[in-house]
Amino acid sequence: EVQLVQSGAEVKKPGESLKLYCKASGFSFTSHWIGWVRQMPGKGLEWMGIIYPGDSDTRYSPSFQGQVTISADKSISTAYLQWSSLKASDTAIYYCARWYGNPYYFDYWGQGTLVTVSS
Amino acid sequence: AIQMTQSPSSLSASVGDRVTITCRASQGIRNDLGWYQQKPGKAPKLLIYAASTLHSGVPSRFSGSGSGTDFTLTISSLQPEDFATYYCLQDNNYPWTFGQGTKVEIK
Repeated sequence: EVQLVQSGAEVKKPGESLKLYCKASGFSFTSHWIGWVRQMPGKGLEWMGIIYPGDSDTRYSPSFQGQVTISADKSISTAYLQWSSLKASDTAIYYCARWYGNPYYFDYWGQGTLVTVSS
Repeated sequence: AIQMTQSPSSLSASVGDRVTITCRASQGIRNDLGWYQQKPGKAPKLLIYAASTLHSGVPSRFSGSGSGTDFTLTISSLQPEDFATYYCLQDNNYPWTFGQGTKVEIK
């Protein structure tokens, strides 16, 4: 069974660092892109970026380039989304999702991680 | 970046109604578009990919059409479980982009 299990909710202060995980199981982690999607409170979905764990090829939305780092550890089938210095505006739910690839779509999603950044 | 303009942003409809949601791309994206449904507190779910292909397990009352810049998601007969927010996503060109979403509410 394909599963993406994400980190639990986080409460952080502005300026703190954070690394979220997305643990994959039930499929070949190195053969599928894993994407990250942000949803700010009461707002729509925003595509942040995507990584191919097989070779760590990573693409970012310009809106998030330089603000976050997407990485993956194929030895433990886990993708990561990290910040070095959080802002209050990073408060959101973050989803990871598997990109199927030919045909192309996000078919499996993690349960989402709520990140709250507040002083 | 390709902009996806989704309309309407919300609509009220009754059970049994036919509902149409549109997405317009700022440039041609062939048929590189998917439709996702999101219910409150839940992750999105895939409905349609490649603009018009119904994902496995999705009821046949959902259909998609379009190519190039104009796309449509149609629910032929709205059911109680269809009240949700719907998003289009283009994957033709990086950065991939979602439409703003359409909230389908009960009339």
